[in-house]
Amino acid sequence: QVQLVQSGAEVKKPGASVKVSCKASGYTFTSYDFNWVRQAAGQGLEWMGWMNPNSGNTGYAQKFQGRVTMTRDTSISTAYMELSSLTSEDTAVYYCARWTLRGDPLGYFDYWGQGSLVTVSS
Amino acid sequence: QAVLTQPSSLSASPGASASLTCTLRSGINVGTYSIHWYQQKPGSPPQYLLRYTSDSDKQQGSGVPSRFSGSKDASANAGILLISGLQSEDEADYYCMIWHSSAWVFGGGTKLTVL
Repeated sequence: QVQLVQSGAEVKKPGASVKVSCKASGYTFTSYDFNWVRQAAGQGLEWMGWMNPNSGNTGYAQKFQGRVTMTRDTSISTAYMELSSLTSEDTAVYYCARWTLRGDPLGYFDYWGQGSLVTVSS
Repeated sequence: QAVLTQPSSLSASPGASASLTCTLRSGINVGTYSIHWYQQKPGSPPQYLLRYTSDSDKQQGSGVPSRFSGSKDASANAGILLISGLQSEDEADYYCMIWHSSAWVFGGGTKLTVL
């Protein structure tokens, strides 16, 4: 069965970087794009960007341009999202999500990771 | 002004219907967008419900009951998620989403209370 298992909670100081992993299993890793979505406590969903794990191509939300990097390691079927220059505003649960139809907005997020809490505090 | 606006909360009784709106910002025509809907329960990631573009182009999520349906109100420039025959298990947060300016944009979410 398809599973996306994310790395554990992290506590970071302002100005630091965090790297969250998302390990996929149960399907061909390179066949589906990954997206990253975050959610601050009690708040709504915020899309951060996408990555094609086959080509490594990425697309980032304008808000995060220059601060986010999405990568992958195909040998271990794992996607990564690294966010730098952290502030308290980045405290949130970060989700990876699989997109069903590469390059097609008519797809949807069918599988999600369990979420990784990132806390930014001095 | 936000791209997508959803009422923050809505209450309805068991067995009744609930209409959740997702209003697009002025200048963004709902007729040209596919509206995606997700349900999120506390402590869990969102789950896909459905996509609505038109009556001839819509998609229901796998295992999603038919009492969840989508539509558009062109006069209000809004997407609508209609939930009929409300059940206690429908109590959740609901988010709309569109692909706009090369990015996925979520509405702020509506907390649906079934009481």
